[in-house]
Formats: sequence, C-alpha cells, structure tokens
Amino acid sequence: DAGVTQSPTHLIKTRGQQVTLRCSPKSGHDTVSWYQQALGQGPQFIFQYYEEEERQRGNFPDRFSGHQYPNYSSELNVNALLLGDSALYLCASSYRGNTIYFGEGSWLTVV
Amino acid sequence: AQSVTQPDIHITVSEGASLELRCNYSYGATPYLFWYVQSPGQGLQLLLKYFSGDTLVQGIKGFEAEFKRSQSSFNLRKPSVHWSDAAEYFCAVVLMFSGGYNKLIFGAGTRLAVHP
Repeated sequence: DAGVTQSPTHLIKTRGQQVTLRCSPKSGHDTVSWYQQALGQGPQFIFQYYEEEERQRGNFPDRFSGHQYPNYSSELNVNALLLGDSALYLCASSYRGNTIYFGEGSWLTVV
Repeated sequence: AQSVTQPDIHITVSEGASLELRCNYSYGATPYLFWYVQSPGQGLQLLLKYFSGDTLVQGIKGFEAEFKRSQSSFNLRKPSVHWSDAAEYFCAVVLMFSGGYNKLIFGAGTRLAVHP
C-alpha cells in the first residue's frame, strides 16, 4: 500500500517563475491538504481539497493555488515566486478528516 | 484562538535515558491530537494519535502519550531513548469544521539530540 507520494523531491527556481508540485494521496484517501514548512518552523496550512474543490484556505496569498483531480491526486501551483517561498512543501491526505498522513515533501529553493 | 505550544525548543538526553516532550494546546472543543516525527530532510511520520477514549495512547517506536484535559496537555514519552530517535518532534491539534473539513495546527517543534 503506497503512502502519500510527492514530486519532485527537490527543485530550484528563480524569482518570478512559477512552480507546480504534485501529490498522490494514500490509497483510499479522498482529501488532500498542502502545508508549507519554512526552515526551523512547524508546518503551516495552505489549503485543503475535497471532491475537486478547495474548501479551506490558510493565510496564504492568491499566488498559491491548487487543483484536485477525479483520482484525488492534487497539484500545488505557486506563481511569481519570491525568495520567501523557499520551503519544504508537504502534502497530507486523509479519508473524511480521519488520521492524516504526510508525504516526504518537495524542497523548493528560490534564488 | 487555537494554538499548540511546545515549550522546549531543544532537548538533549543520553541514550537509554527516559524522555518526555511537552505539548500544550488551546482548543475550545474536544481535541484530536497527533505527534509527528521528522528526521532531517524527511517528511512527517505519524507517531501516535488521540481521538477519544483511553487517555494513554501507544504509538510506534515505543512512544506513548497521555492526554490530560485538566492541564490541556498531550506529552510524549519514551522509557528508553535510542540514538535513532534523534529528530524533530511536532505536536499538532486537528481543527474540525462542519462537512468534514479539517486542518492541523502545529507547534514549533522540539529538536531532540541523543548523546551516546
């Protein structure tokens, strides 16, 4: 049983560019959330997707957007990258709000 | 506002010693609580969870945690620490919304170092 899988694992982007991160939830899970973890801090909630709709959003600007596909996989898009967007981006999945599992994350460095 | 506090930023213990990591939460309703562990460069691994019932919960890797409503605490314990336990530990509370929406509020984490 595969857990939560994320890609890519590491990437480097230039300020102003756009990035897309991908996530496949754990088998049987229908809800995907994204978190940003800056160095030395705890993860911060970005948004959650269920039934292909964003239904909760944290304190992040509109540059952060996402999508969920019918197979429950999800993407996180960040436009107009800033140096401060450098972080570990974690995808989490759950079934109807039950136990929440995390992927290994995508390390984004903005230069 | 809901929040999670981990008072200890860094803890150092000797291998074989006992461990207790503190976690305090602020939440109006009955909390759902988690402990996660993060090794350097890795994602978050679930150690244990508390939803309801027995206030002493057992997790993986020999960890346990006790929920104390009167103290708003959910401290993580291990009787004998192994060098491989060196990592960052995060306590989190789940905020539940109508319709099954949920999000985790994390503490700032406690970094555990283990001396041989």
